[in-house]
Amino acid sequence: QQQVKQSPQSLIVQKGGISIINCAYENTAFDYFPWYQQFPGKGPALLIAIRPDVSEKKEGRFTISFNKSAKQFSLHIMDSQPGDSATYFCAAYISSGSARQLTFGSGTQLTVLP
Amino acid sequence: DTEVTQTPKHLVMGMTNKKSLKCEQHMGHRAMYWYKQKAKKPPELMFVYSYEKLSINESVPSRFSPECPNSSLLNLHLHALQPEDSALYLCASSQQAGGSGANVLTFGAGSRLTVL
Repeated sequence: QQQVKQSPQSLIVQKGGISIINCAYENTAFDYFPWYQQFPGKGPALLIAIRPDVSEKKEGRFTISFNKSAKQFSLHIMDSQPGDSATYFCAAYISSGSARQLTFGSGTQLTVLP
Repeated sequence: DTEVTQTPKHLVMGMTNKKSLKCEQHMGHRAMYWYKQKAKKPPELMFVYSYEKLSINESVPSRFSPECPNSSLLNLHLHALQPEDSALYLCASSQQAGGSGANVLTFGAGSRLTVL
């Protein structure tokens, strides 16, 4: 119930291509869905996030598509660049009485070839 | 640069040593978190502090001892660690412990711990 399933585990894309990472969840109590980007040796950084009542959110080259009925959401990176090479984690937030709990997907290692 | 500052960036310690990891934020956040991240894995929650009180301990071994001296500081005291405790230790903070919507976590860059 608390899991967020992420695929693929790794992704190789040519420069200028579209990178697509998919996530699925079960718990309908999740109330916010962020994507984190993590470079080697750094902490995860919030990239983009979406509420479950919104079907799409775009920020520059990054777009989240959200399908509430299917309990799926995805990250699209348009015109992928070598600098986008990083590990991407989808995640979902849920509020308990004492804390804001964050459940991560398993991560996707993206490599963008020059 | 991240607004959550962690020190040291790298730490090597023996199994009998006592050391501490430090975390500081000046965003006025009232919830602070410790996560552990192994290579190629997502971060795993260890502890949550809400208003300087420990609110969640995810069954972490007692060789890890958290401390929140004030609302801006979070420490993780380490003693008698095992080699399998080698990992990236991440601190994070959020505006408040509960809430909803965009009350999201901001992570620090992490402290890379190696236990020999």
